[in-house]
Amino acid sequence: GAVVSQHPSWVICKSGTSVKIECRSLDFQATTMFWYRQFPKQSLMLMATSNEGSKATYEQGVEKDKFLINHASLTLSTLTVTSAHPEDSSFYICSARDSRESAEQYFGPGTRLTVT
Amino acid sequence: GQNIDQPTEMTATEGAIVQINCTYQTSGFNGLFWYQQHAGEAPTFLSYNVLDGLEEKGRFSSFLSRSKGYSYLLLKELQMKDSASYLCAVMDSNYQLIWGAGTKLIIKP
Repeated sequence: GAVVSQHPSWVICKSGTSVKIECRSLDFQATTMFWYRQFPKQSLMLMATSNEGSKATYEQGVEKDKFLINHASLTLSTLTVTSAHPEDSSFYICSARDSRESAEQYFGPGTRLTVT
Repeated sequence: GQNIDQPTEMTATEGAIVQINCTYQTSGFNGLFWYQQHAGEAPTFLSYNVLDGLEEKGRFSSFLSRSKGYSYLLLKELQMKDSASYLCAVMDSNYQLIWGAGTKLIIKP
């Protein structure tokens, strides 16, 4: 089956620093990748949608200058949280699909970010 | 606006049957998904319905009525490991997933 990996699985950083999270599709080409954020006991919140080779589309309320997304290849997307603050502490999950009309999204295992 | 409604929390007994309902109002419809999510983990795919009717997969079944904007996930022979959140999501006309808030299912012995 389709496998999506994320790295790192967890990270602790100091306030003001930047953190990069990688999302890779291991056995398929991901034309579209999605980045979600999930706070404790809440549902997934879509942050942005990225298509390979083009700029990401951010959801309303998500600062594109703070959450930098790069989808440089069909198997890799990165999310960089710039100048992280404690309120950015959350569970970040990526997902990918192999075509626009593809029914299923394949989820990565998630990255737990803690900003101290 | 787009809206997905499902109960916040349900409790059931090990070995029993539980039905988790989901109603939706979205701009367009390209299918409805159910995902299972254990605490601290990413969601895992359970089912996909795009046509009306019941899809059965082992102990889990999912039903869809597009005219009513309604789906349910039926879990039979409940096991303790089924304790998790169950997320209902609808793919809209832009092939974007619209997520419900999730139903936390608590299984008691």
